[in-house]
Amino acid sequence: SQQGEEDPQALSIQEGENATMNCSYKTSINNLQWYRQNSGRGLVHLILIRSNEREKHSGRLRVTLDTSKKSSSLLITASRAADTASYFCATDTRGSTLGRLYFGRGTQLTVWP
Amino acid sequence: GAVVSQHPSRVICKSGTSVKIECRSLDFQATTMFWYRQFPKKSLMLMATSNEGSKATYEQGVEKDKFLINHASLTLSTLTVTSAHPEDSSFYICSASDWDRGQETQYFGPGTRLLVL
Repeated sequence: SQQGEEDPQALSIQEGENATMNCSYKTSINNLQWYRQNSGRGLVHLILIRSNEREKHSGRLRVTLDTSKKSSSLLITASRAADTASYFCATDTRGSTLGRLYFGRGTQLTVWP
Repeated sequence: GAVVSQHPSRVICKSGTSVKIECRSLDFQATTMFWYRQFPKKSLMLMATSNEGSKATYEQGVEKDKFLINHASLTLSTLTVTSAHPEDSSFYICSASDWDRGQETQYFGPGTRLLVL
């Protein structure tokens, strides 16, 4: 079964607001990654956080990881209409072939201008 | 960043025919590529790990005779959907790993939309 589960499934906000998406997973991981997908397109890698890291920043993105709770969050600050997309977390699990990723169902983010 | 391409981007075929999808890493070599399947508004499901020069490793529940994978070179992996049926209609996405600044990152292709009539 797939590892990650995102929450909420859908999020609708106004431009300028912050968007927070959460991800929970089941087993031990090497790292957790967040991806973005525009409708009907491929995935774009956003950020990777390793199991020994607790927080990471990249531009307007902030990712946290709590391995004790097996959860991660993605915060997009000062959102823009162009941020509208589906966001997926993916886990690279311990003991698996390096690079095998298991994806959650995703959060559909809609940012209204 | 590294670029992965897929061909074709969309294909329509008749039930019973076979369809080949190509995945290429354009500016890097990838000993390992991955094939995913995605249903509308659903997550990506890992189908198999494609290993250059050896047999692919399939995830549980994925029929290896149905989804043939060949990783003929360090820049090309192909997925062939054999005797396609309407239930095989889906969005197929490949990915390849590259090392960039000491970190492994997976780069995804743009996907291939398959419609089986």
